[in-house]
Amino acid sequence: RKEVEQDPGPFNVPEGATVAFNCTYSNSASQSFFWYRQDCRKEPKLLMSVYSSGNEDGRFTAQLNRASQYISLLIRDSKLSDSATYLCATDTGRRALTFGSGTRLQVQP
Amino acid sequence: GAVVSQHPSWVICKSGTSVKIECRSLDFQATTMFWYRQFPKQSLMLMATSNEGSKATYEQGVEKDKFLINHASLTLSTLTVTSAHPEDSSFYICSARETGQYFGPGTRLTVT
Repeated sequence: RKEVEQDPGPFNVPEGATVAFNCTYSNSASQSFFWYRQDCRKEPKLLMSVYSSGNEDGRFTAQLNRASQYISLLIRDSKLSDSATYLCATDTGRRALTFGSGTRLQVQP
Repeated sequence: GAVVSQHPSWVICKSGTSVKIECRSLDFQATTMFWYRQFPKQSLMLMATSNEGSKATYEQGVEKDKFLINHASLTLSTLTVTSAHPEDSSFYICSARETGQYFGPGTRLTVT
């Protein structure tokens, strides 16, 4: 079983739609959680950290459920430029990250 | 955010040759850097942790004699893929941690 699991998608949504991704993790020692965005053939870029209280950054909202060991990302009012692969990542305190395989989002006009 | 650079951004080499990839933290010092590898449509997998002034720590299944890591200064780590084979073709990405973890732009290696 992979340590971090994501639905690979693709999620094909129209512009303006709201879309949500989930990610589950198996290592209960995970301390920090993140969502990264990766464009094709590029490095991952940090989208947002995820906190137990939930956090919001513009159209993006991230939630963490420690009891069920999953994190989520909600994107409202999708833009064409949101098309990318979204990676969730956890950190057990080793300082290196463990990544999921990513969920591909395609926003269509 | 912090900036991490990698060089080269892509390289094509023949089987049996060695390739060196450099990772630099440009505006901060990094005692620890990380090397990841990503095959097509797969996740980033940690290969090794590079420690300034000491030996790197390799993940299970990663051959330390094949992937040589040197972290001789607080801003530079190098990964040398020795005796490269076609199955080593991949996207190699380094990262360094400051307030968050910042990734280099990656090096796409193709071994023919």
